[in-house]
Amino acid sequence: GAVVSQHPSRVICKSGTSVKIECRSLDFQATTMFWYRQFPKQSLMLMATSNEGSKATYEQGVEKDKFLINHASLTLSTLTVTSAHPEDSSFYICSARLGQGLNYGYTFGSGTRLTVV
Amino acid sequence: AQSVTQLDSQVPVFEEAPVELRCNYSSSVSVYLFWYVQYPNQGLQLLLKYLSGSTLVKGINGFEAEFNKSQTSFHLRKPSVHISDTAEYFCAVNLQAGTALIFGKGTTLSVSS
Repeated sequence: GAVVSQHPSRVICKSGTSVKIECRSLDFQATTMFWYRQFPKQSLMLMATSNEGSKATYEQGVEKDKFLINHASLTLSTLTVTSAHPEDSSFYICSARLGQGLNYGYTFGSGTRLTVV
Repeated sequence: AQSVTQLDSQVPVFEEAPVELRCNYSSSVSVYLFWYVQYPNQGLQLLLKYLSGSTLVKGINGFEAEFNKSQTSFHLRKPSVHISDTAEYFCAVNLQAGTALIFGKGTTLSVSS
């Protein structure tokens, strides 16, 4: 089946540094990618939607200058957390849309646990 | 605004017992409904989805769900659970095909022997 490979799975960084999370679609072309954030014991909150070759659409309350999303190719989307702070510590998950029309679905990356110290 | 409500945050059951995880959605238009399972520190795995057609949907690992438009529900069921079913379960919906999923808060299913 369609697989999205997400790396790194875990990362610890110091406050003020930037961290890049990558999501690659291994055997399909991901024209649309979604980025979610999940706090412990909570649901997934949509951060942004990115379409290949265009600027990402951010959800209300998500700082686009802090969470930089790049979707420059059909197989790679990246999320860069800039000037990270401890409150950015969270579990980040990417998701790609599969299929077209009413025959569609989603596949998810395995997530990245970010800890900012 | 559309929302998804998972009525139970935690559901403890014994092994081989039946289980139902409840999900209600609020919407006045057609919706597309999904159930996902998440194991600790992992991504989400699709259990089943309803896009159209038969309202009784069968998924993986013996799970099934029934779309009930009049009650705006999409409850997940399994007739006999295993220890390995212990995980977090999320109901999700989107209004338009292919748009971002909106997730419920999740239900922790704990299966004990």
